[in-house]
Amino acid sequence: EADIYQTPRYLVIGTGKKITLECSQTMGHDKMYWYQQDPGMELHLIHYSYGVNSTEKGDLSSESTVSRIRTEHFPLTLESARPSHTSQYLCASSHAGAATQYFGPGTRLTVL
Amino acid sequence: AQTVTQSQPEMSVQEAETVTLSCTYDTSESDYYLFWYKQPPSRQMILVIRQEAYKQQNATENRFSVNFQKAAKSFSLKISDSQLGDAAMYFCASHKKSSGDKLTFGTGTRLAVRP
Repeated sequence: EADIYQTPRYLVIGTGKKITLECSQTMGHDKMYWYQQDPGMELHLIHYSYGVNSTEKGDLSSESTVSRIRTEHFPLTLESARPSHTSQYLCASSHAGAATQYFGPGTRLTVL
Repeated sequence: AQTVTQSQPEMSVQEAETVTLSCTYDTSESDYYLFWYKQPPSRQMILVIRQEAYKQQNATENRFSVNFQKAAKSFSLKISDSQLGDAAMYFCASHKKSSGDKLTFGTGTRLAVRP
């Protein structure tokens, strides 16, 4: 079944740790996106990709980085996590040229 | 810049009744889409309905329909025969084709359904 997956669903880590949030999709989509969702629930685009080897920064500045080596995989990395990174991270994907984005279940990150 | 405004932080509806959630947007695009997404307590964003701006007919998906007023830049969501499972955060979003198909989201409306 075509879907979009995120792991882990929940992560609690200490300050200074390096983490990678995984996002994979089996929907055959070219475009992928990362959103950060505040505790106040606003969503902000932090990264997106048009396809393999393409990565762009979103509207909200983020200390995270992304890579797109395979079409179906779009991981997000934080080199040194801080409490300010505590948030919900949502991954999404869409067909090239299409407006509709489909979302994964999200990763809730807590940095102590 | 593209903006989306949801002026109702919280709404409440009796089960089986109808409720309308408001959304206004501001865009300079001529070709765009509008969306309503639902985010239940599980936190996954689920597409509820979408509207293509060039279509005059309002989109409908089962109990969900929109009232799209292009000149007024208004895009409200009507939920008919509300069910307990409709309780969630609802986000309105506009699409910007000229910026890589990015979505701009409103701040959300929390809908409670009273049994």
